[in-house]
Amino acid sequence: NAGVTQTPKFQVLKTGQSMTLQCAQDMNHEYMSWYRQDPGMGLRLIHYSVGAGITDQGEVPNGYNVSRSTTEDFPLRLLSAAPSQTSVYFCASRHPSDRRAFFGQGTRLTVV
Amino acid sequence: RKEVEQDPGPFNVPEGATVAFNCTYSNSASQSFFWYRQDCRKEPKLLMSVYSSGNEDGRFTAQLNRASQYISLLIRDSKLSDSATYLCVVSNSGYSTLTFGKGTMLLVSP
Repeated sequence: NAGVTQTPKFQVLKTGQSMTLQCAQDMNHEYMSWYRQDPGMGLRLIHYSVGAGITDQGEVPNGYNVSRSTTEDFPLRLLSAAPSQTSVYFCASRHPSDRRAFFGQGTRLTVV
Repeated sequence: RKEVEQDPGPFNVPEGATVAFNCTYSNSASQSFFWYRQDCRKEPKLLMSVYSSGNEDGRFTAQLNRASQYISLLIRDSKLSDSATYLCVVSNSGYSTLTFGKGTMLLVSP
């Protein structure tokens, strides 16, 4: 059971480039979320989804887009990367009736 | 006011010590409460849920005071392997999102 898989694990982008962070889960979880973690800031919610076709904004959505075409996948798109988006990004999933959230191993993104 | 507040620490304790972490939350409508553990440069992992009646899991005891909007975690007989950052987490009324505190760092020394 792979759980939550994030790719890539590391990425360096130039300012203005776009890219997609991938997140896939094989647990049939309806709820999926993207967080970013910065030193001294804790984990902050970027976007979340409660099911295929349904997404909503979290605390820090600017500069990011998401879509949820399948239950398994929840990609995060950076439209035009900025140095302020340098961070560690975590994807998480959970079943609505389960208190536990499962996290991917994270993507460490540096924007230069 | 931050939704979930924790003392960032670090808490430096010797092996075998008892240590307590506290957390306060601002949203009285929060429904579920958790402690997560995060090792350096790793993903957060659920340590335990927190119930109003209090709950224990081995050396770990969690307490919730809804009236004071206060959550605690007690670790007894600390081990070197307990060194990590402990995240206080609350979920919203629809259970769909989690709000994290900034975490409390624990360092257990020999």
